[in-house]
Amino acid sequence: DTEVTQTPKHLVMGMTNKKSLKCEQHMGHRAMYWYKQKAKKPPELMFVYSYEKLSINESVPSRFSPECPNSSLLNLHLHALQPEDSALYLCASSHSLGSGETYEQYFGPGTRLTVT
Amino acid sequence: EDKVVQSPLSLVVHEGDTVTLNCSYEVTNFRSLLWYKQEKKAPTFLFMLTSSGIEKKSGRLSSILDKKELFSILNITATQTGDSAVYLCAGRGATNKLIFGTGTLLAVQP
Repeated sequence: DTEVTQTPKHLVMGMTNKKSLKCEQHMGHRAMYWYKQKAKKPPELMFVYSYEKLSINESVPSRFSPECPNSSLLNLHLHALQPEDSALYLCASSHSLGSGETYEQYFGPGTRLTVT
Repeated sequence: EDKVVQSPLSLVVHEGDTVTLNCSYEVTNFRSLLWYKQEKKAPTFLFMLTSSGIEKKSGRLSSILDKKELFSILNITATQTGDSAVYLCAGRGATNKLIFGTGTLLAVQP
């Protein structure tokens, strides 16, 4: 099973709203990722969690707040977003980050976010 | 700065044709190169290459890595309309961050 699930599939929110995106995997992966993808562009990394600890933050604005409650779940809390934040938000997971080790990342179907 | 460049940007072929997609990379402390297929939603994993000169194969798709020349190719033989997608190449360095190329948009016409 190489499935990563994400909810919701679509989300429309106003600039004053607070919402959360959820991601779940049951592959025993200990690294989880959030990516943002704009139309006709490749995915851009936002955050990486390794063993439930934030290991990479790609200088993402604080209106995006990640959370990893356990090894299977990853959330992205959204607050006071701007229209330019509208994009496809992808979650991915892989086996743990290790020195010299390399593992493929498996992506979820994404949440299509529209900020009005 | 790390970068991955794919070519061509887009390609239109007919069913049954063979296509070759190119990916060149400059990634610090390079560890692996990955190929993904993206249709409407999430990128789907195709191959991960870590060793130079060893071909990975899955059905009509195959890929090879040249670590000396810093490039990889993805071959698709006997293309079908279902192969139409954006094909993404990504390089990984010492961290687990993937550096994606801009992708090649492949359209296979019946």
